[in-house]
Order: sequence, then C-alpha cells, then structure tokens
Amino acid sequence: GAVVSQHPSWVICKSGTSVKIECRSLDFQATTMFWYRQFPKQSLMLMATSNEGSKATYEQGVEKDKFLINHASLTLSTLTVTSAHPEDSSFYICSAKLAGVNIQYFGAGTRLSVL
Amino acid sequence: AQTVTQSQPEMSVQEAETVTLSCTYDTSENNYYLFWYKQPPSRQMILVIRQEAYKQQNATENRFSVNFQKAAKSFSLKISDSQLGDTAMYFCAFMKIWRGYGGSQGNLIFGKGTKLSVKP
Repeated sequence: GAVVSQHPSWVICKSGTSVKIECRSLDFQATTMFWYRQFPKQSLMLMATSNEGSKATYEQGVEKDKFLINHASLTLSTLTVTSAHPEDSSFYICSAKLAGVNIQYFGAGTRLSVL
Repeated sequence: AQTVTQSQPEMSVQEAETVTLSCTYDTSENNYYLFWYKQPPSRQMILVIRQEAYKQQNATENRFSVNFQKAAKSFSLKISDSQLGDTAMYFCAFMKIWRGYGGSQGNLIFGKGTKLSVKP
C-alpha cells in the first residue's frame, strides 16, 4: 500500500517551454501533497505544500508564478515549471500524506533537464 | 525554527557488520515525529523507520533500530548485519505535529544526509 506514482521520470525540454509533472497517490487519498527539489548530492528542499482544493503554500524564495501547483483531486497534484530555463534543471520529488497519518510517501522523482 | 543535523557526510561499513548513523535536531516542540529515509542510487525515497516523540520505547524495524534520546535531541539509526542493498543516502527528518484547520500539515525538515557504503 501507500504507493505514489510520479510521471515523467525524466524530461528534457527547450528553454522557454513549460513542463508538467504529475504526482498520483495510487491506493490512498492524499489530503496533502508536497513538492521538493533536490540538487546533486544535496538534501531535499521543500518548495510548496498543497492541500486538495486549496491554493498551494510556497516556501520562501520559491516563485509561485514559475512553479504552478494544482491539487485538483485527492489523488493528483501537478507541478508545472513555466518558461523553463537551464537553472531550473534539477530533480523534483513529490510526496503525499494521508490525513491523520503522519508519514509522507514519496514518488520516484522527475529529472528535468532544460537545454 | 526546527533544524536537523547529520554530522557524518559519508560512512562505510563491511557487509554483515553494524553501523550507526547520527542525527541531532533542535526544536522547542514537545510533540513531533522523527524519521529515517533511505535514498538508494535509484533516488526513490524509502521510509526506513519512524519514531513518535511521546513514546519512550525506541522503534525497531527488522535490522534497523533507533536510539532516541529526547532530552539530548538525538536520534541515531543503527543498521545491524549490513547488506550491500543498504548502500544509499540516509536522511534524518523531523515532522512537527501541527493541527490547524483541516488537520495536521505534516511538513518534513530534512538533514543533509549521510552517504553509506556497504563494502563486500
């Protein structure tokens, strides 16, 4: 149980285009989903927290207009990197949490390369 | 604000031996959770073990156990009978229990990680 699917696992895009990453909880309803960014050989940096049906809460320094987060249902959250630039190249990881259960379950991550 | 510190950037251990990874944290909260997550080369984050702060008994999961010292704000992970598949980055993480409108938020605060190599 508690499987989180993240898609795509790897995406390459041209500078200036937008990229959407999906995060799905497959066997549970995720009231809260989290988006992280991880630079090589570093820890996970929380970008934003999203609750189903609400606007996402962004961490300080994260541009909400650049990293659009939608959590339209209890099983799906999306992160859209708008007008991507090479400096947005990174590893993005989502996680999902069930209400009342204090555990985050992680997706396998998405490697974004912006040319 | 909470902080999590892992003072060992890298460690190695021989297969079948025991290794302990250290973690300290700073918080003024009384109720919280602590976690160890493993990130193997595949980069999939895997929950290893969880400890609830209000429980004095140390959590164990098969070969993995923790030494939770609440007063010292220490949360070390012991891996017994190390296996090659244990090779990974290990992250210690803190979760504050927050019960605002809609229930617990559940943000995780991670340490910088310890890279563990298990050698044959």
